[in-house]
Amino acid sequence: DGGITQSPKYLFRKEGQNVTLSCEQNLNHDAMYWYRQDPGQGLRLIYYSQIVNDFQKGDIAEGYSVSREKKESFPLTVTSAQKNPTAFYLCASSGFGGYTGELFFGEGSRLTVL
Amino acid sequence: AQSVAQPEDQVNVAEGNPLTVKCTYSVSGNPYLFWYVQYPNRGLQFLLKYITGDNLVKGSYGFEAEFNKSQTSFHLKKPSALVSDSALYFCAVRDSRGNTPLVFGKGTRLSVIA
Repeated sequence: DGGITQSPKYLFRKEGQNVTLSCEQNLNHDAMYWYRQDPGQGLRLIYYSQIVNDFQKGDIAEGYSVSREKKESFPLTVTSAQKNPTAFYLCASSGFGGYTGELFFGEGSRLTVL
Repeated sequence: AQSVAQPEDQVNVAEGNPLTVKCTYSVSGNPYLFWYVQYPNRGLQFLLKYITGDNLVKGSYGFEAEFNKSQTSFHLKKPSALVSDSALYFCAVRDSRGNTPLVFGKGTRLSVIA
């Protein structure tokens, strides 16, 4: 079945460690996105990529990094520079319909810093 | 800049009664408007969208939304609520001008009481 796969679903990290969240899609979508969700704050955009080998910062990019070497994959690294990384992270993609097309979301990854 | 507001953090409704979840937006050009639903610890699921045409949009699970340009609103409605509709609902907007990602509201938690 086509969709977006995020892994791991739950992740624990010690302070000072980098961690990478995986996002893979088999929808043949061009655009991919990373959002952070905190209670009461909705979804905030971290990074997005509209084409392979290109990506742009969102509203809260500090302390995060991404790569887009393949169309199917858009991993997110949460670095030690991110001061409050505990959150629910959502990956999404869009393709059909251009800017009128809806986003398709993965099931999320919950990161907890110990 | 584009923005979206969901004025109610929580909406409570009795099962079988009609429900409304409110959303207002601000964009420079014409809006592309979306509603999503999220169940606990899951990703977001697309419900419906307004791009152009008929102001009343019908979507999944019996939901509909009405686009009102003069009031810059896009309220989500359902004639008869179910307990299973209890979830977190997000409104999102994208400006038809320019190359910008979707912006989400902070979400409204809907509780349907049996």
